[in-house]
Amino acid sequence: SYVLTQPPSVSVAPGQTARITCGGNNIGSKSVHWYQQKPGQAPVLVVYDDSDRPSGIPERFSGSNSGNTATLTISRVEAGDEADYYCQVWDSSSDPSGVFGGGTKLTVL
Amino acid sequence: EVQLVESGGGLVQPGGSLRLSCAASGFTFSSYWMSWVRQAPGKGLEWVANIKQDGSEKYYVDSVKGRFTISRDNAKNSLYLQMNSLRAEDTAVYYCARVPYGEGAYFDYWGQGTLVTVSS
Repeated sequence: SYVLTQPPSVSVAPGQTARITCGGNNIGSKSVHWYQQKPGQAPVLVVYDDSDRPSGIPERFSGSNSGNTATLTISRVEAGDEADYYCQVWDSSSDPSGVFGGGTKLTVL
Repeated sequence: EVQLVESGGGLVQPGGSLRLSCAASGFTFSSYWMSWVRQAPGKGLEWVANIKQDGSEKYYVDSVKGRFTISRDNAKNSLYLQMNSLRAEDTAVYYCARVPYGEGAYFDYWGQGTLVTVSS
């Protein structure tokens, strides 16, 4: 089955740029989606199809995907961005399945 | 406004059964694939199952195949997850989620979740 690898934690100071990576074999050939989850809340989609943003998501959130790594970039980080972030792909193999990365805890220093 | 409201969670003994429900509103339920995603306490997200608009196609994560059954009632705008032979490792918050297109892709709307605890 397909595996997505994320760093357990990323720390950044307010106003700086946070980059959260998601590694997978030839992930650049897949569409990658990103979710934000704050404690006690349901996940929220922040980037879909590698780099598109749902309505209501600030332009500070952007995504890229190439080779074996996808990246979620959060510019001008705010305290309210502190959360867990998960990448996700749909593996359309002979046994289709959804796959999530293990999640990254973003800490705003 | 799209709303997904799960219900049916609770405490169940190992080997027992539980049926989760998800009431959908604010969109044409019968036009979308739907999913269940779970999250064990303190752990990450895990996709559980998907079901096609008419229920004719269903996909499951390996760990629940043969034990869980996803279904839907488009007349009632409802999604279900029948969980049998429950194990301690099935303990999690179960989320209902909408798939905006195709058989998978991503999950654009989520419910608030319902907690299932498997314990004696």
